[in-house]
Amino acid sequence: AIQLTQSPSSLSASVGDRVTITCRASQGTSNALAWYQQKPGKAPKLLIYAASSLGSGVPSRFSGSGSGTDFTLTISSLQPEDFATYYCQLFSSSPQGLSFGGGTKVEIK
Amino acid sequence: EVQLVESGGGLIQPGESLRLSCVASGFTVSSNYMSWVRQAPGKGLEWVSIIYSDDSTYYADSVKGRFTISRDNSENTLYLQINSLRVEDTAVYYCARDKCGYSYHLYGSAIFYYHGMDVWGQGTTVTVSS
Repeated sequence: AIQLTQSPSSLSASVGDRVTITCRASQGTSNALAWYQQKPGKAPKLLIYAASSLGSGVPSRFSGSGSGTDFTLTISSLQPEDFATYYCQLFSSSPQGLSFGGGTKVEIK
Repeated sequence: EVQLVESGGGLIQPGESLRLSCVASGFTVSSNYMSWVRQAPGKGLEWVSIIYSDDSTYYADSVKGRFTISRDNSENTLYLQINSLRVEDTAVYYCARDKCGYSYHLYGSAIFYYHGMDVWGQGTTVTVSS
C-alpha cells in the first residue's frame, strides 16, 4: 500500500494566520487525494477532493494543491472553528487500496 | 436525507467475533463504493476495507484474513465481520460512502474519478478486553 506522510504532526497558530499542511506519498499517484477535518468525538468531514476541488459547503479559505507525490492543504486565514485535526487520504488503483496520513493537529497559539 | 448509522459495537473478549452494521438512507449502498475506517483511542484514522459496486473487496494488510466486508442490498446495509478479535482492534469504527465513478468521454473512453468519502456515520465503538 502507498504510505502517506503528513507534516507537521502538530502546529500552533493564531486566528488569522495562514496555515499549510503537507502530505507526501511514498510513490507517484493520481490526483485521487482528499483532505478531511476531524473534531474531537466527531466523524471526519470532507474538505477537499481530487487534490484541489472544494467539498460541498466548505469555506473558500480552504484550498488544496499538488500532484504526483506532494500535496498541500492551505487555510488562508485561520478561524476559531478551524482548530481541529486534519488528515490526507489517497485512493490507489495500483496497488489497490486506500490510506490515510498520520494527521496534523492544529492548536490555538 | 443522506445518512449512515452504524451499530454492533461493544465490549468483546479477545478471540471472539463481532459483526458491525451500517444502515444507509437516502442512497443505495449497492450502487456505491463503501468503506470501513477505524480510529483507535487517541490515534489517527486507519482505512480498513472497501467494497466496490461490482462486489470487489479490498482490505488493509493489518486486517486481511480476519475481517470480511459485505452488504445486504435488500436491507441497504453494509457489514463488517470481525473474527479473532485482538486488543489492538479496539477502536471507533466508521462506515463511509466513497464518492466515485466513471466519466465518459469522446469515443467511449471512461476515466475513473474519486471524490473522497463524502458521507460518514457517527461511528460504533469496539472495545476488546478480557
